[in-house]
Amino acid sequence: GQNIDQPTEMTATEGAIVQINCTYQTSGFNGLFWYQQHAGEAPTFLSYNVLDGLEEKGRFSSFLSRSKGYSYLLLKELQMKDSASYLCAVRKTDSWGKLQFGAGTQVVVTP
Amino acid sequence: GAVVSQHPSRVICKSGTSVKIECRSLDFQATTMFWYRQFPKKSLMLMATSNEGSKATYEQGVEKDKFLINHASLTLSTLTVTSAHPEDSSFYICSARAEQTNTEAFFGQGTRLTVV
Repeated sequence: GQNIDQPTEMTATEGAIVQINCTYQTSGFNGLFWYQQHAGEAPTFLSYNVLDGLEEKGRFSSFLSRSKGYSYLLLKELQMKDSASYLCAVRKTDSWGKLQFGAGTQVVVTP
Repeated sequence: GAVVSQHPSRVICKSGTSVKIECRSLDFQATTMFWYRQFPKKSLMLMATSNEGSKATYEQGVEKDKFLINHASLTLSTLTVTSAHPEDSSFYICSARAEQTNTEAFFGQGTRLTVV
């Protein structure tokens, strides 16, 4: 099995920056994904990291440290529409396509 | 990008009846699809892996006779919740693997099942 931990909830104001941390413990690591999920909707893909370092995509960036079992998702210039749950998910080498999800971090953006 | 369509989006059924949920890959062939379940404010829990032309692989603790999965073609997998009970009420989401892409699986819109 594997443990994937992320904070339950974070609150930030519009225009600010928020960093969502995710730690994991797993054998056979083969990639970490971040998804955004609005209430009652399916998750939408945000980012993918398999090598150490930072991946930047517009207002969203994701970082991975494999040796530390750590990732973060950075949301810049927060907008009200960014209020959602952010899910960290890990893929193992023996299960291409299967993802193990963390419990999700609910981000609340306030005016 | 690839599109996965899930139907129905919402369903209400009576206890004891069965409900079928469809997951279709619209613009690609999916030899493998995945079924997840999500309780309110909880994360997605993988229920089973659906393999085209063979039996599904269920995760530990998931009753295969309760949750019947059929993957008869390269674009369609179905999940049937048999003899539904109120505790089966949940959000069910499918995803499809589009070969070995970095974007991994594409998710359907989800099905909100309410058993009354």
